Amino acid sequence: EAQVTQNPRYLITVTGKKLTVTCSQNMNHEYMSWYRQDPGLGLRQIYYSMNVEVTDKGDVPEGYKVSRKEKRNFPLILESPSPNQTSLYFCASSLWGGQTSTDTQYFGPGTRLTVL
Amino acid sequence: SQQGEEDPQALSIQEGENATMNCSYKTSINNLQWYRQNSGRGLVHLILIRSNEREKHSGRLRVTLDTSKKSSSLLITASRAADTASYFCATGKANAGGTSYGKLTFGQGTILTVHP
Repeated sequence: EAQVTQNPRYLITVTGKKLTVTCSQNMNHEYMSWYRQDPGLGLRQIYYSMNVEVTDKGDVPEGYKVSRKEKRNFPLILESPSPNQTSLYFCASSLWGGQTSTDTQYFGPGTRLTVL
Repeated sequence: SQQGEEDPQALSIQEGENATMNCSYKTSINNLQWYRQNSGRGLVHLILIRSNEREKHSGRLRVTLDTSKKSSSLLITASRAADTASYFCATGKANAGGTSYGKLTFGQGTILTVHP
């Protein structure tokens, strides 16, 4: 089954404790992206990756890191989480960027992160 | 205000009625997409309309795009209780080789409630 998986689904942590949220897709997609969703703000893009070892900032990259060492994985790293990073995070993937009717973005189930 | 703003923010209707949601945007686009999100879950792509198209249908969904007014509408006909969800528009701009390639900008969403 074609899917995007994220782990963990729920995470409660404390300020400053490094964490990683994993994202994996099994569709051989080139493009992967991370979003955060906050009430009243919709989804905002954090980082995206066009291919292995190619990443770029989205609209809200501060406080986050990513890496793309393998095509299928795109982990999101919070080196020193802060309470304002409490949010619902989504990973997404698409073949080339999700800009055509035959190439759209597939979203993971989300990770709800709480930073105390 | 943000690119891709939906209107209304919330819509409550009875089963069988039609639901219309609107989206406005500010900058030029290559395409506009509509996504659906069930409470706290990942987004699911519904339909994409290119900037040179004016109307598109998919099952009970009808999307229109007016690039002169920078607006789009999503019509769900004969709504069902299962249509209850949040609906987001996302504008896309695919510029090959540019940092905006594959970037989708989401609006804040319309919460649709369909009462049985």
